[in-house]
Amino acid sequence: GENVEQHPSTLSVQEGDSAVIKCTYSDSASNYFPWYKQELGKGPQLIIDIRSNVGEKKDQRIAVTLNKTAKHFSLHITETQPEDSAVYFCAASTHFGNEKLTFGTGTRLTIIP
Amino acid sequence: DTAVSQTPKYLVTQMGNDKSIKCEQNLGHDTMYWYKQDSKKFLKIMFSYNNKELIINETVPNRFSPKSPDKAHLNLHINSLELGDSAVYFCASSQTLNTGELFFGEGSRLTVL
Repeated sequence: GENVEQHPSTLSVQEGDSAVIKCTYSDSASNYFPWYKQELGKGPQLIIDIRSNVGEKKDQRIAVTLNKTAKHFSLHITETQPEDSAVYFCAASTHFGNEKLTFGTGTRLTIIP
Repeated sequence: DTAVSQTPKYLVTQMGNDKSIKCEQNLGHDTMYWYKQDSKKFLKIMFSYNNKELIINETVPNRFSPKSPDKAHLNLHINSLELGDSAVYFCASSQTLNTGELFFGEGSRLTVL
């Protein structure tokens, strides 16, 4: 089955700086890559996703890049703000959706004011 | 208006007991899921139901039995609770099995003593 590795497990950045979280996946058939943000005491919430026919996608301060050859994808957050502090999960699926969605192990991002 | 609601939020019980967690979604979605998040924040799919039909049943002990009386509800019953069952259980829904975003509930923290 699919295996998704995520690094780093913890990340602290100064407010206003950029944060990058990286994931690698094992199944070359994976074609859907969402990112979820989990705030304390809440369920995860989708923040951005990308499909395998696209190399990069941006939404305001958040961007995701995908390298299918190397089987890795990354989340980039620019101009970080205190409300960006949360646990971030990458995930990968071979079905363009949730049927076979495998999550990474999570990154705890702390923004230092 | 809560989109995906699960009850109870906290559950503390003794080993060997039987307990249930209820989940309801008011989004009109076809597909519902149960995920388990362990103490290291690892998120793993347990079950998914599409239009009340079981689609995914990952390697979960048969002490765990999901029940979907209609497509808006997916309950989780756990028999003979063990210490290792302590975790946060998340209910989620999506429009269809292969349509993007998962909407998660706020989680039910189960502690087995």
